[in-house]
Amino acid sequence: KAGVTQTPRYLIKTRGQQVTLSCSPISGHRSVSWYQQTPGQGLQFLFEYFSETQRNKGNFPGRFSGRQFSNSRSEMNVSTLELGDSALYLCASRPSQVPNTGELFFGEGSRLTVL
Amino acid sequence: DQQVKQNSPSLSVQEGRISILNCDYTNSMFDYFLWYKKYPAEGPTFLISISSIKDKNEDGRFTVFLNKSAKHLSLHIVPSQPGDSAVYFCAAPDNGAQKLVFGQGTRLTINP
Repeated sequence: KAGVTQTPRYLIKTRGQQVTLSCSPISGHRSVSWYQQTPGQGLQFLFEYFSETQRNKGNFPGRFSGRQFSNSRSEMNVSTLELGDSALYLCASRPSQVPNTGELFFGEGSRLTVL
Repeated sequence: DQQVKQNSPSLSVQEGRISILNCDYTNSMFDYFLWYKKYPAEGPTFLISISSIKDKNEDGRFTVFLNKSAKHLSLHIVPSQPGDSAVYFCAAPDNGAQKLVFGQGTRLTINP
């Protein structure tokens, strides 16, 4: 069974640009969530999608958005990039709508550098 | 608000000895606690979890202890091996918000 796949793995952008990151969850997983990892901050929750609906959003500005498609694939977009957006963006999936133990399956991440 | 905290950014342990990673939390409503392990350039992988109704869960070399009165959990790795060198995150599911709340992580280095 293939794992969570994220593309691109690495990218460099300049301030003011926008970026789109893609995530393909494990087959059969309908819940996809996104996290931002920066040094010293751990993993910060961005948003979670289930059946193409955003169910919750973290404390990030409106420049951060996402969507989920009917095949459960998800994309997140960051517009008007700032230097502070440089981070590892992680996508995670899980099979059920109802969290039980909270176990997530993470992709390898997309490393974004903003210059 | 930092609901889950890992106060030690790094820990260095001799190979073969015990590694103890600590985590504190503030939300007494958490039902489960999890530990994730992360290598560089890889995503976090689930390591072990514990239900809030238990005080210990063991899986091979890994044991998690939960002290609810102190709102504290710890991960014990014994014996420590070089392959255990990674960043360890403790986390708890915030079911009302459909998300995991993570600590800041502790970088564990196992010295040969």
